[in-house]
Amino acid sequence: RKEVEQDPGPFNVPEGATVAFNCTYSNSASQSFFWYRQDCRKEPKLLMSVYSSGNEDGRFTAQLNRASQYISLLIRDSKLSDSATYLCVVNGLNTNAGKSTFGDGTTLTVKP
Amino acid sequence: EPEVTQTPSHQVTQMGQEVILRCVPISNHLYFYWYRQILGQKVEFLVSFYNNEISEKSEIFDDQFSVERPDGSNFTLKIRSTKLEDSAMYFCASTLNSGNTEAFFGQGTRLTVV
Repeated sequence: RKEVEQDPGPFNVPEGATVAFNCTYSNSASQSFFWYRQDCRKEPKLLMSVYSSGNEDGRFTAQLNRASQYISLLIRDSKLSDSATYLCVVNGLNTNAGKSTFGDGTTLTVKP
Repeated sequence: EPEVTQTPSHQVTQMGQEVILRCVPISNHLYFYWYRQILGQKVEFLVSFYNNEISEKSEIFDDQFSVERPDGSNFTLKIRSTKLEDSAMYFCASTLNSGNTEAFFGQGTRLTVV
C-alpha cells in the first residue's frame, strides 16, 4: 500500500466549479499534513496546512480525519489559475517529523 | 520573503561524471533536505540533514550520493558518478524545526545526464 495515496485524476472542470481532492495515508503516527501546489516543472509550493479542526483560506478548505487517515481539499469557484497539480504531503514520525512524503499528485485543469 | 535558492537551475553532464548541486537554505532554518522528481513521477525523499549529519536517507540515496554543509550557508548534494537514471529535478528544502512545520522548497535543479 502506498504511504500517501491520492485521487488519480486528472480533473477537468469548468470555471466556477467546485472540486474536491481526496488523500489517504498509511502511517497512523504521521505528524502533520499539507497540501502543496506544483505548476509544471516548478517547485512544490505550500497551499495550506491541514488540521483536524479543518481550515479555510478563501476558496480553499482542507480537512483532516485522523481516525480514517484521510485528508481532503475543496476548491470552490475554481479559476483558470487554479490549474496545477495538487500534492498531498504527510510529514513523518517523531524521529524525523520534518521529512515529507508526497502523494503522486492530482492534476486539475480548469477550462473557460 | 525568505527563500531557498538552488544553483544551477539546469545542469547537463556526461554519464560517469561527478556533479555538485548547491542550495542555500533559509538562514535560520535548522533542517535540510534533498528530494528528487523524475519527469512525470512523484517527488521522492532522498536525505535529511541536521546538526551536520545525515538524520535519514532513502534507498535511492546510495553510495554514489553524499551531502555536505561546507560552511554556514551552503548545503550541497554530490553525485559521484552519474547514471542516465539520475536525470531528474532535484529540490532542496529546509524547515525551521522538526515539528509541525512546512518545508520551503528551492526552485530546483534540472539534471540531465547524457
